[in-house]
Amino acid sequence: AQKITQTQPGMFVQEKEAVTLDCTYDTSDPSYGLFWYKQPSSGEMIFLIYQGSYDQQNATEGRYSLNFQKARKSANLVISASQLGDSAMYFCAMREGTGGTSYGKLTFGQGTILTVHP
Amino acid sequence: EAEVAQSPRYKITEKSQAVAFWCDPISGHATLYWYRQILGQGPELLVQFQDESVVDDSQLPKDRFSAERLKGVDSTLKIQPAELGDSAMYLCASSVDRNEQFFGPGTRLTVL
Repeated sequence: AQKITQTQPGMFVQEKEAVTLDCTYDTSDPSYGLFWYKQPSSGEMIFLIYQGSYDQQNATEGRYSLNFQKARKSANLVISASQLGDSAMYFCAMREGTGGTSYGKLTFGQGTILTVHP
Repeated sequence: EAEVAQSPRYKITEKSQAVAFWCDPISGHATLYWYRQILGQGPELLVQFQDESVVDDSQLPKDRFSAERLKGVDSTLKIQPAELGDSAMYLCASSVDRNEQFFGPGTRLTVL
């Protein structure tokens, strides 16, 4: 069963505009973490932002913020003031649990390709 | 800044041949992960190590794939024999206390 769903295969945004990338998740574990990674065409995975399931505030890191709606099981990434260098693939990922032998494993969504137009 | 190292960056091989990938995690990172990423999809975990022990290899095709981390530091992932469907990006990541994972640049494998 797919646990992370990214429904937008591709998104386009004008430079300097804000864009929201959608992510929904499914878990029965009360403790989990949600991550967003950026993957440029070169292939490396770049960590952007993290939200814990018990965090009261939405996470923010510079131009990135995470719109965490726990009841809806959504964790959308908001990029403000888009730049040309933001063009890349973006992945939402989830880590479940607080212990156990395989704690730490990330489950990724299918990704969203973001294209920033000048 | 410390980084996860992987080699080679690119590998082209013919089916039925053996291939091996190497990963050197960030110093002090006890947990090491190997992920496979098929083009157009998200990465999927193949194997997870805690120090030198395998803690999750449930998605590793054990008839052809093997992974080791003998001294709990660097790791090798091997495929023998390679099949056309193994063409993918192989990503290594490491973490402290299984929190934020730091990824290496990946090895892009093409099987002909």
